[in-house]
Amino acid sequence: ETGVTQTPRHLVMGMTNKKSLKCEQHLGHNAMYWYKQSAKKPLELMFVYNFKEQTENNSVPSRFSPECPNSSHLFLHLHTLQPEDSALYLCASSHSPSAHYEQYFGPGTRLTVT
Amino acid sequence: GQQVMQIPQYQHVQEGEDFTTYCNSSTTLSNIQWYKQRPGGHPVFLIQLVKSGEVKKQKRLTFQFGEAKKNSSLHITATQTTDVGTYFCAAYSGAGSYQLTFGKGTKLSVIP
Repeated sequence: ETGVTQTPRHLVMGMTNKKSLKCEQHLGHNAMYWYKQSAKKPLELMFVYNFKEQTENNSVPSRFSPECPNSSHLFLHLHTLQPEDSALYLCASSHSPSAHYEQYFGPGTRLTVT
Repeated sequence: GQQVMQIPQYQHVQEGEDFTTYCNSSTTLSNIQWYKQRPGGHPVFLIQLVKSGEVKKQKRLTFQFGEAKKNSSLHITATQTTDVGTYFCAAYSGAGSYQLTFGKGTKLSVIP
């Protein structure tokens, strides 16, 4: 599947680094999401964007900063991360942020914070 | 917020055996979605159930939505090694929320 792409696929960064994750969807969807998936927790929703507007922020620490320049692209800017932020970061999109539409996930970025 | 409890957390089956995972909620759900994540992969949408008592089939997979819309199940008949992965149920938190809440998933291992 190439409907939702994410780069990079793997990232190792130090606690003082600044990096960005990129997501692009080619499905013509209006809603985009960032999720965090770690070994011991279920999929955690971080941010939701609808038509480029952020609609939900699930109490995510400010060291994670999302950006959605248009409905096809989504970024997650990272700075001053902690080791516990190491996880798989998944981007997803859907037709709209409604209960009746399925979400399409990208392959994820495996982030390791050292 | 709404939570969906999924059991079991792990299931090991011999190839050819059946497998079932259950998803339960304390509140009535508007709908429920099921996803599969292969090892090293990402969640892939399988199906959505909306109606009370709904049953849908996809080849060897049977999905059910409870009459009270508080529980759902995924049953796989005669498992194959290609069924290996983690199966998640997911439901929306309710009106006005865009949050899709995922269960913790059931990790299926199939012994050939």
